[in-house]
Amino acid sequence: AQSVTQLDSHVSVSEGTPVLLRCNYSSSYSPSLFWYVQHPNKGLQLLLKYTSAATLVKGINGFEAEFKKSETSFHLTKPSAHMSDAAEYFCVVNAGTASKLTFGTGTRLQVTL
Amino acid sequence: NAGVTQTPKFQVLKTGQSMTLQCAQDMNHNSMYWYRQDPGMGLRLIYYSASEGTTDKGEVPNGYNVSRLNKREFSLRLESAAPSQTSVYFCASSEAADSYEQYFGPGTRLTVT
Repeated sequence: AQSVTQLDSHVSVSEGTPVLLRCNYSSSYSPSLFWYVQHPNKGLQLLLKYTSAATLVKGINGFEAEFKKSETSFHLTKPSAHMSDAAEYFCVVNAGTASKLTFGTGTRLQVTL
Repeated sequence: NAGVTQTPKFQVLKTGQSMTLQCAQDMNHNSMYWYRQDPGMGLRLIYYSASEGTTDKGEVPNGYNVSRLNKREFSLRLESAAPSQTSVYFCASSEAADSYEQYFGPGTRLTVT
């Protein structure tokens, strides 16, 4: 069985300040982990993925995430938030057979001036 | 390339009516998926098709049927719509069933009254 927990349903930051979106996972297998972003009224777009290579993963738009097996975490960070980063972010785990993704409940990122 | 396209974008149904949501991808992907997204619940898998000619149930298949018409197209049918099926529906595709990265369409917003 696999699951993912996003620890914050809503995060608000000021433009130019760091972003931290937290995600913990549970998996019986070696997982692959992803962060997807969803802008308002749009589909989901892959930000970055971890598939058992380097534990620090860089994605698009300056985002990165670090896989920490000892903490079962995969937190998403960005050094400096931009207004265009305002969106919903989903942490996703895939483990075991087939390509069945398990989504977290999402974190809404608000960026203020 | 258009990627993953979905029609319609919006739909309002009365309880008991039927409808089919259409999905097509032009990336020559083998696997396709239907998800529903409800507030505070992330995305949940309804049905998926690992390859042309096969379909399997996901987490929440009740009240839905699917057809993998060909490699490009994967439709979702509601035979007798219920208010509980009010949701946003996303279609996705991936290169193969063991390919972890999925590409999402823009979604269909369905309201059942």
